[in-house]
Amino acid sequence: KQEVTQIPAALSVPEGENLVLNCSFTDSAIYNLQWFRQDPGKGLTSLLLIQSSQREQTSGRLNASLDKSSGRSTLYIAASQPGDSATYLCAVDSFPLQGGSEKLVFGKGTKLTVNP
Amino acid sequence: EAQVTQNPRYLITVTGKKLTVTCSQNMNHEYMSWYRQDPGLGLRQIYYSMNVEVTDKGDVPEGYKVSRKEKRNFPLILESPSPNQTSLYFCASTPQGAPTDTQYFGPGTRLTVL
Repeated sequence: KQEVTQIPAALSVPEGENLVLNCSFTDSAIYNLQWFRQDPGKGLTSLLLIQSSQREQTSGRLNASLDKSSGRSTLYIAASQPGDSATYLCAVDSFPLQGGSEKLVFGKGTKLTVNP
Repeated sequence: EAQVTQNPRYLITVTGKKLTVTCSQNMNHEYMSWYRQDPGLGLRQIYYSMNVEVTDKGDVPEGYKVSRKEKRNFPLILESPSPNQTSLYFCASTPQGAPTDTQYFGPGTRLTVL
């Protein structure tokens, strides 16, 4: 059964700092990995999607990497801003080798606070 | 504007009183799904639908029903709600008939069952 873990659960940094959020998964049989942002009381917004054949994706100050063989992904945020404060969720699009349907499996998220 | 809408956004109800949470998307997406989000447990899939008239159970389907009579709508039905169904619910959609693409989420429905 696919399990997704995000460390740390919470992170507080001063504005301007570069930071890395971590995501690990137990089963490398994946189609892709997605990073989402969730603001309090709101839905999830997709930030980056990395296909299983890719190593990284970039969008503005965000860079996500994927090492499928080791079951790890990182989300790098450059020059953090207070507006980056949110919970960041990692999700793996997984297909169970033992049978069953393809589905997204989510980590529990990292709550990021960027202090002015 | 391309979006997924959910109604109601907030609902307080009592045990056993049937309710429906609506979900609608205007992007002609094939795949739709429902999740619940609970503290310490993260997001878990309740039901999903790969296309009209095609629905299947996710990880936590007990106590829920869904239907997909038309492409844009995917209501979540609680026939006899119980307090353990108090949660934050999200509807999501993707263009293809599988989650292998960017997911678009609705704003969420916060449900409290007394």
